[in-house]
This record gives sequence, C-alpha cells and structure tokens, in this order.
Amino acid sequence: GAGVSQSPRYKVAKRGQDVALRCDPISGHVSLFWYQQALGQGPEFLTYFQNEAQLDKSGLPSDRFFAERPEGSVSTLKIQRTQQEDSAVYLCASSSTAFMNTEAFFGQGTRLTVV
Amino acid sequence: QKEVEQNSGPLSVPEGAIASLNCTYSDRVSQSFFWYRQYSGKSPELIMSIYSNGDKEDGRFTAQLNKASQYVSLLIRDSQPSDSATYLCAVNPFTRGNMLTFGGGTRLMVKP
Repeated sequence: GAGVSQSPRYKVAKRGQDVALRCDPISGHVSLFWYQQALGQGPEFLTYFQNEAQLDKSGLPSDRFFAERPEGSVSTLKIQRTQQEDSAVYLCASSSTAFMNTEAFFGQGTRLTVV
Repeated sequence: QKEVEQNSGPLSVPEGAIASLNCTYSDRVSQSFFWYRQYSGKSPELIMSIYSNGDKEDGRFTAQLNKASQYVSLLIRDSQPSDSATYLCAVNPFTRGNMLTFGGGTRLMVKP
C-alpha cells in the first residue's frame, strides 16, 4: 500500500476486555515497530519485528501485551484484560531495511480508550 | 534521567522568526538522530535526520549535532503558522538495532 495502515482508528474497550490492533506496513518493509503514545508524551517503544522474527519486546509493559507478525507483513498487537492505564494511541511504524539510519514511516495510530 | 530530554514548551515565536528546538540524550554511543513533526491527532512525520557532528540544512530547517555535548537541535527559519506542531527528537541507540527512543516533544506555536 501507499503507507502504513492501522485499524481500527478508534477503539473503546471495557476494562477487562481483550483487544486486537492491526498494522499493515508498507509493502516489502522488513522492519516493523509498535509504539505507545500517552497524551502529551512522546512515543514509547513496545516491540520490534524484523520480518517475522520478534527481535525486541523489551518495551511491552506487561505479559498482557502480545504482538505477532506471522508472515512477515501484517502485525497484530493484542492486549488482554485491558486496564485504564492502557489508554493511549498505539502507533505502528515500518522501515525498508533492518539497518540504522533508515527512515521509519508511521501509521495514523489506533486510539484506545479503556472505560 | 530520561534517555532523550526535550523542553515540553510551548515555545511561542512570531511569524518569520527563527524557532530553536533543543534535545539532549544520555546514550553516548548513539549514532543516528531524527526530528519528527507531529500535528495534533496525527502521526509523526520525519523532517530531518543527522548522523555526524555539525549542521545539516534542508530548506528552512537546519539540524545541528554535537556528540561531545550529547546535544541535538533543530532550527526553523522564517517560521510559519503551519509549523505549529509538536517536534519530537528521536535517537537510535547503537546497541538496539534501528528502534527509536523519543523525547517527550516540544510544542511550537508560531503566531501570525
């Protein structure tokens, strides 16, 4: 596609509900990142995929967060038993290589509100 | 201490003035530095990257890097109201592939 596509754009979840957020990166992009952005803050790194391999998940805040990219393209971020502190914008980014100095392109994000 | 620090602002400048945005980082071996612009409710978009000490100019934007002082800055000349946004400084930690560590962002307001 022309850019990084995320869905849904907005998600309201009741506390305790499971949610799944989808990211469709730019076609052919090797690297895929998930970031969490709280209101008024900068994005915080969650996890990184190189093709289908999850190379870094050090930013996932708890074991309720799980991400996958099974075929090296589309990725899903799943949050189990959502809590109010999970409310944030979840940004997905992709880049064409695994090397440093490669521009990362961001999707529009999914705004998750847990009520 | 946060890995990447920015003054949250808001930084208010009149139209036509130079806006100066600053960022410091803690990982001394960081190699790559980026400035992203984020309009309210939108995703970050890359406006400048810099990898070596000195200045890098692109149109009205100049990025400056001083690795010895662990300092990155962004100058916006002839500021326009359309430049009003949050500017995010991002650093690529050398030991962590190509993930980015972001600062909290500086909100810039350019007043007509």
